Amino acid sequence: EADIYQTPRYLVIGTGKKITLECSQTMGHDKMYWYQQDPGMELHLIHYSYGVNSTEKGDLSSESTVSRIRTEHFPLTLESARPSHTSQYLCASSDGLLGSYNEQFFGPGTRLTVL
Amino acid sequence: SQKIEQNSEALNIQEGKTATLTCNYTNYSPAYLQWYRQDPGRGPVFLLLIRENEKEKRKERLKVTFDTTLKQSLFHITASQPADSATYLCAPRGPGADGLTFGKGTHLIIQP
Repeated sequence: EADIYQTPRYLVIGTGKKITLECSQTMGHDKMYWYQQDPGMELHLIHYSYGVNSTEKGDLSSESTVSRIRTEHFPLTLESARPSHTSQYLCASSDGLLGSYNEQFFGPGTRLTVL
Repeated sequence: SQKIEQNSEALNIQEGKTATLTCNYTNYSPAYLQWYRQDPGRGPVFLLLIRENEKEKRKERLKVTFDTTLKQSLFHITASQPADSATYLCAPRGPGADGLTFGKGTHLIIQP
């Protein structure tokens, strides 16, 4: 079992609310990622981080933002949730060492529903 | 643009038989390719990695092949069991890329 945690596991919220999805890992990994996955569809990378104070946008455009103030935490924030944000959000981490092959460890995901 | 194709239909296999899943990619020259397993409502779990200079990799009942000429990877589960039922994701990666690019996955059902 990977040491990467996400809270909450499920969230149902009204339109316009601000939400933060938490992700933490205890493996000391430098690289962390957020993916978005709709049912039956592929994962899409929306944000990643090389380490503290590093954040980058991924392949899929997202209205969410992320921060990396501490190595172990990589929260994702939506300032104003909309129904189009309804999806599953998966956090992952990897050791990012030079020469590593970037095996990624995933959290259990947060299933977000915006009404 | 990069494209990854996996069996779009669910794959039904009789218990004890070998399951073979296909991953094809285009516009891509991945340095390596990873396979993950995903159960409903859970995050993917890493299974195997194969490098571009490797033809085959094995781990217990799992075997992966990588043909860079055909731009294809095959994932085999021998002596399949109902507990192997899950969605299997292929993730080829280019050198220097960040994050992973995943296929949609193949839903495998092992019937007792």
